[in-house]
Amino acid sequence: QVRLQESGPGLVKASETLSLTCAVSDYSISSASYWGWFRQPPGKGLEWIGSIFPSGSTYYNPSLKSRVTISLDTSKNQFSLELSSVTAADTAMYYCARRRDSCFDPWGQGTLVTVSS
Amino acid sequence: DIQMTQSPSSVSASVGDRVTITCRASQDISSWLAWYQQKPGKAPEVLISRASGLQSGVPSRFSGSGSGTDFTLTISSLQPEDFATYYCQQLKSFPLTFGGGTKVEIK
Repeated sequence: QVRLQESGPGLVKASETLSLTCAVSDYSISSASYWGWFRQPPGKGLEWIGSIFPSGSTYYNPSLKSRVTISLDTSKNQFSLELSSVTAADTAMYYCARRRDSCFDPWGQGTLVTVSS
Repeated sequence: DIQMTQSPSSVSASVGDRVTITCRASQDISSWLAWYQQKPGKAPEVLISRASGLQSGVPSRFSGSGSGTDFTLTISSLQPEDFATYYCQQLKSFPLTFGGGTKVEIK
């Protein structure tokens, strides 16, 4: 059963870079249609950050595109998110997920990232 | 970008009630729509894919319908474990977008 686990610092200083990793278990990262990063500010809705294909091609949310980089490490079966120049508005629960058919499933449990001033 | 408009934003209902949530896309997305359930402190879980495809393990009281721009999620008989927030998502094209969510609360 495929499992995803996000990891990374829970606290990031304003203006610095947020870095998270999504480790994929019991499923080859090269087998999925593609993978995604999402976030959810406290008390708010879901936002797509970006996606990466097994080929390494990426698509980003235009609202974040200038600050986002998503990369793939097939040797470690994981993919990563970097978000630069963070502000308090980037404080959120961050999730990774697998694109399957016409949905994302499963999702990781999420990791809360707080941006401090 | 494809905008997803979900309504209502919240609904108060009793156990056994029928609940209907709608999602409207700003352009034709065919059947490229998923519905998710999210409980407090948990990650979203998919209920429906391709607008009407019930996912394995999801109770049959959940159903999805629609195509093009108008979609519906129906819970035929609300159960205590169904009190949660529901989101629609279009997967037709990037950027992927979600509806604003519908919080189903206990009446």
